[in-house]
Amino acid sequence: GQQVMQIPQYQHVQEGEDFTTYCNSSTTLSNIQWYKQRPGGHPVFLIQLVKSGEVKKQKRLTFQFGEAKKNSSLHITATQTTDVGTYFCAEAYTGTASKLTFGTGTRLQVTL
Amino acid sequence: ETGVTQSPTHLIKTRGQQVTLRCSSQSGHNTVSWYQQALGQGPQFIFQYYREEENGRGNFPPRFSGLQFPNYSSELNVNALELDDSALYLCASSLHGANVLTFGAGSRLTVL
Repeated sequence: GQQVMQIPQYQHVQEGEDFTTYCNSSTTLSNIQWYKQRPGGHPVFLIQLVKSGEVKKQKRLTFQFGEAKKNSSLHITATQTTDVGTYFCAEAYTGTASKLTFGTGTRLQVTL
Repeated sequence: ETGVTQSPTHLIKTRGQQVTLRCSSQSGHNTVSWYQQALGQGPQFIFQYYREEENGRGNFPPRFSGLQFPNYSSELNVNALELDDSALYLCASSLHGANVLTFGAGSRLTVL
């Protein structure tokens, strides 16, 4: 089945540095959602992108959907220790059932 | 508004045993989905329930089964447990047809 790949798998940054994770698919995505999972926690919905080239911002987080709808990115400006966690992209398929296909995830570590 | 609650939070079973995990959906949500998240991986879709019937299933064997009750709560049953069933089991609720999910905190199953 389709697999959504994310890079990098892991990134360690100093607080205040920027961070970007990329989500890539070999096929066109109907939409992309981003989730954050804190260590020991559960996925928490951040945002959904549906339009080609769409850009959305949430405070220090910027989300983009590629023009060809085959990739997406999440950029965090000036990371804080509260940003620690694993960031997943996911494609939401809505047919008979609404099903998410998650990416492989990027684990972010932030140190002072 | 109550969120998604799952029980138990942790449990340990041995190979061959059976397990039942429970989930109460968020108030107002009528659809429940179950996901399996192995350590270090993204969640994988198991199945979804709507109107007390399974209306979508991922690549999981029949020993994974479920129920949804009139109050929209749900159970996940796994028979003949295998070591590879050790994972975090996540329940997510939504409105039917909506593709934004609210996840519960999960039930962490260890199979010895």
